[in-house]
Amino acid sequence: ELKVEQNPLFLSMQEGKNYTIYCNYSTTSDRLYWYRQDPGKSLESLFVLLSNGAVKQEGRLMASLDTKARLSTLHITAAVHDLSATYFCAVVQGAQKLVFGQGTRLTINP
Amino acid sequence: DADVTQTPRNRITKTGKRIMLECSQTKGHDRMYWYRQDPGLGLRLIYYSFDVKDINKGEISDGYSVSRQAQAKFSLSLESAIPNQTALYFCATSDPRGIRGYTFGSGTRLTVV
Repeated sequence: ELKVEQNPLFLSMQEGKNYTIYCNYSTTSDRLYWYRQDPGKSLESLFVLLSNGAVKQEGRLMASLDTKARLSTLHITAAVHDLSATYFCAVVQGAQKLVFGQGTRLTINP
Repeated sequence: DADVTQTPRNRITKTGKRIMLECSQTKGHDRMYWYRQDPGLGLRLIYYSFDVKDINKGEISDGYSVSRQAQAKFSLSLESAIPNQTALYFCATSDPRGIRGYTFGSGTRLTVV
């Protein structure tokens, strides 16, 4: 059974700092997704990572995938308050079933 | 219009009542999913459907049923609601290999009292 673990689960940081969220998963998969969720809202797709070594960047966020290590990272550069949200990684199991991590609640303080 | 539309957005219902949550999508995808979100647990898969005639149970299907009325419509029913089914419910759709990702609806906040 596929398990997806994120850490940290809670992260409070100051504006302007850099940080990384980690997503580990327990069985082989070649597709991983990152989502952002604001309180009470839907999930917004951030990145689709489809192969080993994939790296994608959008603004202050950069995601990477290492399928051999079963690890993905979401790196935040020079954080700003608008990035405060909960971030989820999700991994495909078998025939297209997404399994989610617990989420990382990110708070960015001025 | 949103790619994935869920109705209702919010619902309060009593224990023992039957309730249906509806989902429709305009992405033209065959694959649709229902997820449940509880605080601190991420999203968990309730049911999924790869086409109109193919419906499968997810990890937490007990107490739920679904109906795939058409390619674009996938409904979730609680036959006899109970308080621990209070949660945020999301419908989603994807292309066959998920290459373009999974698109989620806005969610239905269900409270069972």
